Amino acid sequence: DTAVSQTPKYLVTQMGNDKSIKCEQNLGHDTMYWYKQDSKKFLKIMFSYNNKELIINETVPNRFSPKSPDKAHLNLHINSLELGDSAVYFCASSQREDYGYTFGSGTRLTVV
Amino acid sequence: TQLLEQSPQFLSIQEGENLTVYCNSSSVFSSLQWYRQEPGEGPVLLVTVVTGGEVKKLKRLTFQFGDARKDSSLHITAAQTGDTGLYLCAGAYIPGSSFGAGTRLTVKP
Repeated sequence: DTAVSQTPKYLVTQMGNDKSIKCEQNLGHDTMYWYKQDSKKFLKIMFSYNNKELIINETVPNRFSPKSPDKAHLNLHINSLELGDSAVYFCASSQREDYGYTFGSGTRLTVV
Repeated sequence: TQLLEQSPQFLSIQEGENLTVYCNSSSVFSSLQWYRQEPGEGPVLLVTVVTGGEVKKLKRLTFQFGDARKDSSLHITAAQTGDTGLYLCAGAYIPGSSFGAGTRLTVKP
C-alpha cells in the first residue's frame, strides 16, 4: 500500500528520557513534515524538510530534532522529554504544498 | 496565533439535515485544503481549492473558496452518520500548512 507510515503508534516514557519516532513514505513525495496535535486537536507545524532544506518552526524547542537518512524517511528525535511534550505527533508528506498532505496515523506520546 | 478560524467549533445534527461549516482568515492563501480526521487516525485530505470563487463538489460535499482567497466553506447535503468527524481547513504556509482548530461534527441516526 502507498502510504505514510510511522512507528510506534503509542509511546509511554519517563521524564528526562530520549526517544525517537520513525516515519517513512513510499509516495515519492519531495517534502516531509512533522506536526504536533495537542489535547484540543490543534495541529501545529514543527518542521518541514526536503532533500535540500530544513525549515524549523521557531517555537519548537531545540530538544526536538528531525533526521532524514534519505528522501523517504524523516525521523523525529526528542531529548530530555518533558510532561508538556505529551501529544500526538503526525508525520506527513507532499509533492507540492498546494496539493495538500498525506498524513501518517500518528504516534501518541505520553510522558510520565 | 491561529491564521485560520473555523466555526462552529461543535455541531450536532440529525441524519438527513444539511449543514455548513466555515473557515475564515485575514490572510490570503495560494490554496486551501479541507481534511477530515477520525479518532486515532491522521487527517485525510478531502479537497484542495486554488482559484478565488472556485466551487468543488465531492458527492454530497460542496467546497467553496472565497473570491479574495481568504475564506472557505464546506456544505454537506443530507448528512449521514458516516460524516461524523473532525473537519479541518488548512492554508499553505511556511514551514508547513497552517491549520484551523477544526469543527467537530456529530451526525445522529
